[in-house]
Amino acid sequence: QVQLQESGPGLVKPSETLSLTCAVSGYSITSDYYWGWTRQPPGKGLQWIGSIYHTGNTDYNPSLKGRVTMSIDTSKNQFSLRLTSVTAADTAVYRCARRGFNYGYLDYWGQGILVTVSS
Amino acid sequence: EIVLTQSPGTLSLSPGERATLSCRASQSVSSWHLAWYQQKPGQAPRLLIYGASNRATGIPDRFSGSGSGTDFTLTISRLEPEDFAVFYCQQYGSSPDTFGQGTKVEIK
Repeated sequence: QVQLQESGPGLVKPSETLSLTCAVSGYSITSDYYWGWTRQPPGKGLQWIGSIYHTGNTDYNPSLKGRVTMSIDTSKNQFSLRLTSVTAADTAVYRCARRGFNYGYLDYWGQGILVTVSS
Repeated sequence: EIVLTQSPGTLSLSPGERATLSCRASQSVSSWHLAWYQQKPGQAPRLLIYGASNRATGIPDRFSGSGSGTDFTLTISRLEPEDFAVFYCQQYGSSPDTFGQGTKVEIK
């Protein structure tokens, strides 16, 4: 069974960098899928942040204006998200997910981690 | 980017009734590139439908998807108590992936 689990700080100060990791179990991260991140502000809808392939190929949402970087560690079967210069508007539940290679539906999701941006 | 507009915002129905949810795209989306998700409070979204009409693994056949071009529909033939939730459509054919704003199906 594919399982994803996010980890990282739940509180980040404004202007600092949000860093999260998604550990994947039950499936090799080097297989033919992309691995992605979404976020959901409290009480609001879903936003796609971006995705990464095990080769390091990435695709980011341009609305995040160059603040996003994703990386992948195949030896640990995990991938990571960095979001710089955060503001209160970045407060959200962040979830990682498995994204199809040719068809990008998200079929396995982590439970999510609430990250609050506040001083 | 492709904007997805879902309607209605809220649907108030009773168990056993039929639910029809709409997702309209700002430009044409290939049927291969449209998915639907269900999200319950405090939970991650669950994939229901991919490729506009294909049920994901383990999804009951009371859930069905249809549509093409700019208009897509999710139908729940007979609502069960566990079906009440928020539903999102997603297009993944044009980067960036985008989601609709959601339709809440609530118990009347």
